[in-house]
Amino acid sequence: GAGVSQSPRYKVAKRGQDVALRCDPISGHVSLFWYQQALGQGPEFLTYFQNEAQLDKSGLPSDRFFAERPEGSVSTLKIQRTQQEDSAVYLCASSPRQGFSTDTQYFGPGTRLTVL
Amino acid sequence: AQTVTQSQPEMSVQEAETVTLSCTYDTSENNYYLFWYKQPPSRQMILVIRQEAYKQQNATENRFSVNFQKAAKSFSLKISDSQLGDTAMYFCAFKVNRDDKIIFGKGTRLHILP
Repeated sequence: GAGVSQSPRYKVAKRGQDVALRCDPISGHVSLFWYQQALGQGPEFLTYFQNEAQLDKSGLPSDRFFAERPEGSVSTLKIQRTQQEDSAVYLCASSPRQGFSTDTQYFGPGTRLTVL
Repeated sequence: AQTVTQSQPEMSVQEAETVTLSCTYDTSENNYYLFWYKQPPSRQMILVIRQEAYKQQNATENRFSVNFQKAAKSFSLKISDSQLGDTAMYFCAFKVNRDDKIIFGKGTRLHILP
């Protein structure tokens, strides 16, 4: 079946612009995660959804970052007034069930954001 | 706080050789999972192998196996009969049972040479 998809694959923004990154999880997956991967680093957790509820947003670096999943499927990560330090690959992952620590997280190919 | 350390930024081995990637972690938790993820140039993060901390037996998946030393908080990955397609970034990662986020190391870039 189809895996996690993300769009766009590449995004170039001028400093100060707003951007929106989209994630389509595997159909039926309850849990959805966003990670930020800076160049040469491992991914770092941003936020977690269980269906439409955002249960953990402790990793969001500032109030310029906002994520939503209004119908419990597709999710959007929005970054307002982008800064150069926001340049990174943004990874989305989904897993089948809620509250099951054993579930594997399946990752999408990521969106590479470059802020000029 | 949990941390994951990968001390080898980059490694190169000849095709068909065996290579071991190192990983150590720090936690005060007792119930957790450890993972190795592979990230090729396409950026798709792929799960290679996982280990439950309560299991003493080391996990194995075909050519991939781990050496899990819980007391030493060490979790190394061994790739046997390495293939050109194994060329990628490899991330060691950790997840506490009671939490959902995965904590990643900084990665080891592995080159398999023909």
